[in-house]
Amino acid sequence: EAQVTQNPRYLITVTGKKLTVTCSQNMNHEYMSWYRQDPGLGLRQIYYSMNVEVTDKGDVPEGYKVSRKEKRNFPLILESPSPNQTSLYFCASSLTWTGDNGYTFGSGTRLTVV
Amino acid sequence: AQTVTQSQPEMSVQEAETVTLSCTYDTSESDYYLFWYKQPPSRQMILVIRQEAYKQQNATENRFSVNFQKAAKSFSLKISDSQLGDAAMYFCAYRSSQGGSEKLVFGKGTKLTVNP
Repeated sequence: EAQVTQNPRYLITVTGKKLTVTCSQNMNHEYMSWYRQDPGLGLRQIYYSMNVEVTDKGDVPEGYKVSRKEKRNFPLILESPSPNQTSLYFCASSLTWTGDNGYTFGSGTRLTVV
Repeated sequence: AQTVTQSQPEMSVQEAETVTLSCTYDTSESDYYLFWYKQPPSRQMILVIRQEAYKQQNATENRFSVNFQKAAKSFSLKISDSQLGDAAMYFCAYRSSQGGSEKLVFGKGTKLTVNP
């Protein structure tokens, strides 16, 4: 089944403890992206990648890191999480960066930082 | 920068009735893509319908259709014969067809309630 797989689905952590949210797609998509969703704000892009070893900042990149060493994987790293990073996170991919066929989204990761 | 506005934070409809969700956007580009996504309580983001700006014809997917008014920069979603399973958050999204804008720009969403 073609899909984007995110793990974990739920995560509660403490301030300052490094964490990684994994994202993997099995559709050979070139383009991958991370979004965060907050009430009343919709979805905002954190980082994106147009292909292996090519990443760039989105609208809200502060406090996050990403890497794209393989085409299928695009992990999101929070080196020192803070409570303001409590949010619902989505990974998404599309066949090409033009994305005229829309994105395929993962199931989301609910992160709580206490 | 492109912006997407959904002016209705919440809407409700009776089962089997028709409802229209509004979306406006701001752009200086002539070619782009527009999408409606559905987010049910399961949180999954599901693509409902897409529209290419250069196409005059409004997109339709079963009970879902759009009213695309390019000059007015309006992209509303009409849901006909509403079903209980249509209850969800609906997001309107814009994507440029040009390089340098590799992202979907989302509106803040409209929560749709379907009453039995």
